[in-house]
Amino acid sequence: AQSVAQPEDQVNVAEGNPLTVKCTYSVSGNPYLFWYVQYPNRGLQFLLKYITGDNLVKGSYGFEAEFNKSQTSFHLKKPSALVSDSALYFCAVSATSGTYKYIFGTGTRLKVLA
Amino acid sequence: ETGVTQTPRHLVMGMTNKKSLKCEQHLGHNAMYWYKQSAKKPLELMFVYSLEERVENNSVPSRFSPECPNSSHLFLHLHTLQPEDSALYLCASSQQRTGSYEQYFGPGTRLTVT
Repeated sequence: AQSVAQPEDQVNVAEGNPLTVKCTYSVSGNPYLFWYVQYPNRGLQFLLKYITGDNLVKGSYGFEAEFNKSQTSFHLKKPSALVSDSALYFCAVSATSGTYKYIFGTGTRLKVLA
Repeated sequence: ETGVTQTPRHLVMGMTNKKSLKCEQHLGHNAMYWYKQSAKKPLELMFVYSLEERVENNSVPSRFSPECPNSSHLFLHLHTLQPEDSALYLCASSQQRTGSYEQYFGPGTRLTVT
C-alpha cells in the first residue's frame, strides 16, 4: 500500500536561514513525488515534482527537493527562508502503475520568523 | 489555482438539504478529482474522473454523488449529509498519461453541515 509520512506537524525557522520540510514515502514500484503548498483559504498549489531523472529537482519560489531512493525520502528545501514562505506544505506520492491515485501526507506547517 | 474554479466558496446546509458543488477547469486536462480536507487529517481522495469516466471511488458514502458531464466540468451532489461531512472540498485536475501528472487545485468549497 502507498503511504506518505510528514513527521513534523510544524517547522519554525528564522528568516534568511535554510529550511527543510521532511517527507518519506512507501510505494510499490517507482514513485512519482510531489510537493504542494497551501495558503490560508486557498487550494493547494503545485511546487515541484520528481518523475524520473536527476535526483535534485527545482521548483517554484526557490524551492528544491532531493529524491533519495535508498532512504525513500523526498525532503523539501530552500536555502534562505522568507516570511512569505509561511504556509502549509504537503508531500504526495503516486505509484507509476496507478497514477490517478495520489496519497497526500498530513501536512507540515512552516512558520518563518522575522 | 486560477485555472480551476469552484462554486460556491462557502456553503451552509442542513442535514435534510440537497445541494451541489461545481468545479470547472480551464486547463485542457483529461482528469478531474474531488478531495475532502478535514482538520488534522490527510487529504482524502473521493472520486476521480478520466475522460468523463469514473476511475476511482474510494468508498465514499452514497450521500455524495459525483457527476462529470464533460472534461471541463465536475459536480458533487450532496444530500442528507451528516455534521462530520463538514470540511473543505477541493477539486483538482491533471493531465495524465501523456502529460505532466501534477494536479492543479481550485480554492475549495468550505462546507458546514448543521
